[in-house]
Amino acid sequence: DTGVSQDPRHKITKRGQNVTFRCDPISEHNRLYWYRQTLGQGPEFLTYFQNEAQLEKSRLLSDRFSAERPKGSFSTLEIQRTEQGDSAMYLCASSRGGGSGYGELFFGEGSRLTVL
Amino acid sequence: SQKIEQNSEALNIQEGKTATLTCNYTNYSPAYLQWYRQDPGRGPVFLLLIRENEKEKRKERLKVTFDTTLKQSLFHITASQPADSATYLCALDLQFTPLLSGNQFYFGTGTSLTVIP
Repeated sequence: DTGVSQDPRHKITKRGQNVTFRCDPISEHNRLYWYRQTLGQGPEFLTYFQNEAQLEKSRLLSDRFSAERPKGSFSTLEIQRTEQGDSAMYLCASSRGGGSGYGELFFGEGSRLTVL
Repeated sequence: SQKIEQNSEALNIQEGKTATLTCNYTNYSPAYLQWYRQDPGRGPVFLLLIRENEKEKRKERLKVTFDTTLKQSLFHITASQPADSATYLCALDLQFTPLLSGNQFYFGTGTSLTVIP
């Protein structure tokens, strides 16, 4: 169990560019979450996958954001035409789904995005 | 609107004292509530989970209470140590919210705790 890994850890980009973040969850976890966190705030829910199905997407997520989990393993979060307001830490978490449907979230160390 | 509120101010306490952090929510009926610890620049780390039908949960020096009538959870750290200094987050599991199709975890704003030696 190597934990949740995220790549890259840091990304600096110019406004208008596209960026993509990758998340590799814990291998036996079928649930994967993306959150965004800005300084002094708690993680803000973006989207959630169970296996390869994207089950929920925050209304706060604009059309510039898209997430995929093509084979139910790793996931990518793409932000198109970045804006300065997108600067934040993007956190990925995974959990074990089961009959009871609950479980603790295991977070990665995050991908910090700075949009200039 | 839906809100999850934690202590708005940072909490500073003396080593050895008990730290008490609050988590208040409105317009939710969570099945579970979780507490996480987050260190600067790191992802949150799970600490404790409490179900809606549990009043109290303990783990070593940590204690969590859950009052669904008051819509409040309290998180206690007894015999606090400088190493407990971090931000603590509560998260609501909206698993059984009818409109949602799976587990949803919504986080509070977090409370920054500093334990002074």
